[in-house]
Amino acid sequence: EAQVTQNPRYLITVTGKKLTVTCSQNMNHEYMSWYRQDPGLGLRQIYYSMNVEVTDKGDVPEGYKVSRKEKRNFPLILESPSPNQTSLYFCASSLRSYEKLFFGSGTQLSVL
Amino acid sequence: DQQVKQNSPSLSVQEGRISILNCDYTNSMFDYFLWYKKYPAEGPTFLISISSIKDKNEDGRFTVFLNKSAKHLSLHIVPSQPGDSAVYFCAATPLRTSGSRLTFGEGTQLTVNP
Repeated sequence: EAQVTQNPRYLITVTGKKLTVTCSQNMNHEYMSWYRQDPGLGLRQIYYSMNVEVTDKGDVPEGYKVSRKEKRNFPLILESPSPNQTSLYFCASSLRSYEKLFFGSGTQLSVL
Repeated sequence: DQQVKQNSPSLSVQEGRISILNCDYTNSMFDYFLWYKKYPAEGPTFLISISSIKDKNEDGRFTVFLNKSAKHLSLHIVPSQPGDSAVYFCAATPLRTSGSRLTFGEGTQLTVNP
């Protein structure tokens, strides 16, 4: 089954404790991206990757890191989480950047 | 600076009637537009798209209209069904210049009452 898998679904952590949210897709997509969803703000792009070893900032990259060492994986790293990073996070992939995105089920992150 | 705006946070319609969801954009470089639907506890799923060379695209009960001069697009759902109750996001990208940046609106919660 074609899918984008994010883990974990829920995560509660404390300020400053490094964490990684994993994302994997099995569709051989070149393009992958991370979004955060906040009330009244919709979905905002954090980082995206056009292909292996090619990543770039989206609209709200501060406080986040990503890497794309393999085509299927695109982890989101929060080196020192802060409460303003409490949000619902989505990973997405597509064959090309402008084609329809396939989204993961989301990761609800709470930073205390 | 919100370049894609959905001014109605919510919309309620009766089953069988038409649902019209609206979206406005400010960036004249946007030339490709998409609508996504999101159910609770799930990721968004692609619904329909339209290129700026068209003013209408239809897929079953869903039709997207684009008015480039007004920088406005709308999604029509006819007839509306209770299963259409979800949050709808419009999105836009400047495909000719850089198709990698997809900008989403805030979303509109559609409720279809039986």
